[in-house]
Amino acid sequence: GQNIDQPTEMTATEGAIVQINCTYQTSGFNGLFWYQQHAGEAPTFLSYNVLDGLEEKGRFSSFLSRSKGYSYLLLKELQMKDSASYLCALGNTPLVFGKGTRLSVIA
Amino acid sequence: KAGVTQTPRYLIKTRGQQVTLSCSPISGHRSVSWYQQTPGQGLQFLFEYFSETQRNKGNFPGRFSGRQFSNSRSEMNVSTLELGDSALYLCASSLTVPRGTDTQYFGPGTRLTVL
Repeated sequence: GQNIDQPTEMTATEGAIVQINCTYQTSGFNGLFWYQQHAGEAPTFLSYNVLDGLEEKGRFSSFLSRSKGYSYLLLKELQMKDSASYLCALGNTPLVFGKGTRLSVIA
Repeated sequence: KAGVTQTPRYLIKTRGQQVTLSCSPISGHRSVSWYQQTPGQGLQFLFEYFSETQRNKGNFPGRFSGRQFSNSRSEMNVSTLELGDSALYLCASSLTVPRGTDTQYFGPGTRLTVL
């Protein structure tokens, strides 16, 4: 199986930094995706990690450690518009999604 | 370039009816995947098509079926609707044959309510 665990909900303050974790148990995968989904909207692609390490994209960074079965999405300088669900997905055929983490950014 | 489009956006049906949902991928994309999203289960994989061939199928009953046309457009059908089929149905397209490396781009979804 490919169990993927993410915290269900998180709350953070505007301007702060938040780390959303994703742990998984699987025998293999090509890479790990992160998607953002605002309420009532489609998921949108944020990042893809194929190698271990940190991928930085503006305010968002994603990290992968295959040996530890662990990834995280780091959001810096949080803005109210970052309130959304964040989904991690293992890159297999088909993609396997976690249930997502609902992030609420408060003033 | 236009994104993934899905029609209809909202649908209300009653138990026992059937429904057909449509998805048009991004121009040039040849792979289409379908997902069911519910609050409790998250995104659950339904099917994956490439070049009119079903490449993968998720753990859903035979009431759920799909197909892909030569222009890469895809449809999914749910027969004998049940209350539990109420969900957001998302379609996603990617450029090439599914390998778990290509980014999938999602459509806005079809919100199906079964009464």
